[in-house]
Amino acid sequence: QKEVEQNSGPLSVPEGAIASLNCTYSDRVSQSFFWYRQYSGKSPELIMSIYSNGDKEDGRFTAQLNKASQYVSLLIRDSQPSDSATYLCAVIRGGSYIPTFGRGTSLIVHP
Amino acid sequence: DTGVSQDPRHKITKRGQNVTFRCDPISEHNRLYWYRQTLGQGPEFLTYFQNEAQLEKSRLLSDRFSAERPKGSFSTLEIQRTEQGDSAMYLCASSTDRGGEQYFGPGTRLTVT
Repeated sequence: QKEVEQNSGPLSVPEGAIASLNCTYSDRVSQSFFWYRQYSGKSPELIMSIYSNGDKEDGRFTAQLNKASQYVSLLIRDSQPSDSATYLCAVIRGGSYIPTFGRGTSLIVHP
Repeated sequence: DTGVSQDPRHKITKRGQNVTFRCDPISEHNRLYWYRQTLGQGPEFLTYFQNEAQLEKSRLLSDRFSAERPKGSFSTLEIQRTEQGDSAMYLCASSTDRGGEQYFGPGTRLTVT
């Protein structure tokens, strides 16, 4: 079992819809969780971090963390074609400074 | 603040040659990371520095790979006797010691022919 799992997609949503991206992790002592966006041929760009159970909102993005169920999700409201990219989930276990990345989910927002 | 920079952006080399990449982190960041990424995969951890000290190195990392961060500023990653399997994007990221948020450079794309 991979440590951080993401559905590779592609996830296709119409412009203006909510895109929901999910990530599960296997290490129960994971404490820090991150979402990165990566456009094709570019490097990852940090979108959000979340450390506590519940929701964290930043503009059109909401990260949701459920440590009991070992999943973290990213919601993108009012999706735009410019949101089309691969979204990487990263997890850091307690006591470490090294993230483990998932393979990423490809999101396509069509007009 | 100009962000993380990497040089060169692209490198084409023949199998068996040595290559060296450079990373300049965000100036106030004391942690620096190197990753390798291949198509369809997430970044794979290679090594990590806190200031000038190399604190961790991936078990998967061949001894053909070496990294340095003299004086705790820029870092170099050297690959000796390159193999075709080394072809990948090499990413550098930096962070403060207050959290896990990492900021990536543009990457160096290595092609070994």
